[in-house]
Amino acid sequence: KQEVTQIPAALSVPEGENLVLNCSFTDSAIYNLQWFRQDPGKGLTSLLLIQSSQREQTSGRLNASLDKSSGRSTLYIAASQPGDSATYLCAVRFPQGGSEKLVFGKGTKLTVNP
Amino acid sequence: KAGVTQTPRYLIKTRGQQVTLSCSPISGHRSVSWYQQTPGQGLQFLFEYFSETQRNKGNFPGRFSGRQFSNSRSEMNVSTLELGDSALYLCASSPVTGRGETQYFGPGTRLLVL
Repeated sequence: KQEVTQIPAALSVPEGENLVLNCSFTDSAIYNLQWFRQDPGKGLTSLLLIQSSQREQTSGRLNASLDKSSGRSTLYIAASQPGDSATYLCAVRFPQGGSEKLVFGKGTKLTVNP
Repeated sequence: KAGVTQTPRYLIKTRGQQVTLSCSPISGHRSVSWYQQTPGQGLQFLFEYFSETQRNKGNFPGRFSGRQFSNSRSEMNVSTLELGDSALYLCASSPVTGRGETQYFGPGTRLLVL
């Protein structure tokens, strides 16, 4: 079964700290991996998309890495700010028959304290 | 460009009723996917439509159905509502279907079944 796991479920850090969010997946045959941010009661905002042939992607203070062989991805947030407080979701696109499906982890709820 | 829009944003229904949710994708996007988000199960894939055809389907009972119109707008319908159908229903669109595409999410429709 293709599963995506995110640990920890919640994380609280002081402002300015660098932090790493983890995502693991059970099947290395993936098409891509995407990190999203979700604010309370809102939809999802795409942060970074890493194709299976890539090792990392960067956007501003965010850096996401992908290691298919070990089934892991990390999202690194530099110099965290209170505005970064949100739930971060990892989603993996797996092949399914002749198509594919997007499987989400349950997220890490991040709180950045001023 | 306007983002993905979903209507209505909030709904309250009673058990046994049916409900129809609507999603308008970003202009030019032809793929629409639907997800259910609950605190216990997280985000789960319902189905994907591309060019008015259901391309992929998740593991939900037949009470959950959908369709896509020629203008790419999509609707999902849930018949014979159960308490467990209370959730945030998210719609996402992408320009085309396939393994490399980023999905853009709408704000969701929050359904409460009493």
